[in-house]
Amino acid sequence: GAVVSQHPSRVICKSGTSVKIECRSLDFQATTMFWYRQFPKQSLMLMATSNEGSKATYEQGVEKDKFLINHASLTLSTLTVTSAHPEDSSFYICSASIGLLAGPETQYFGPGTRLLVL
Amino acid sequence: GQQLNQSPQSMFIQEGEDVSMNCTSSSIFNTWLWYKQEPGEGPVLLIALYKAGELTSNGRLTAQFGITRKDSFLNISASIPSDVGIYFCAGQSGTYKYIFGTGTRLKVLA
Repeated sequence: GAVVSQHPSRVICKSGTSVKIECRSLDFQATTMFWYRQFPKQSLMLMATSNEGSKATYEQGVEKDKFLINHASLTLSTLTVTSAHPEDSSFYICSASIGLLAGPETQYFGPGTRLLVL
Repeated sequence: GQQLNQSPQSMFIQEGEDVSMNCTSSSIFNTWLWYKQEPGEGPVLLIALYKAGELTSNGRLTAQFGITRKDSFLNISASIPSDVGIYFCAGQSGTYKYIFGTGTRLKVLA
């Protein structure tokens, strides 16, 4: 199957700093990328949907100025957690798809990035 | 945000036993999906269901799309140690978004 990578896999940062997480589709063009957040022992919660070249669509309750998403190319989307606080500590997972309405068989999840804010 | 309820939340089973877990919702879904997530990794799609009543298998895994479109179940037959992980259901209704279940944590005792 297709491969989606995330970098870094783990990051520890101080409160108040910003952290950038990259999501790359390695062998296909991802028109759409989704960003999820997963707290310990909980489910995946969709944060935002980004389409290449467009502004991201954020889910209700997700601050767009805090979680900056850039999807500048068909193989790369970035999530920047600005002014991170301890409550932002979580597992961030991206998924990449060939299109917004493509079926689940063509949506692939990355391995996730674990963020710890001290 | 909205979540689907899965049960059981966790289970320990003996190797070789069959496993059954289900997912329920108060809303109707058009698509039901089952994923497996291993520690520190993203989910991997196991089975996708598109029609009410549909029964689909993938190796030792079998899943069904409930007739009411508000539930789905996943069975694993003859479990093996590598079945360990968290199993999530996900539903899709009318939009491109998937809503994920609360997860069932499976541990297999050899």
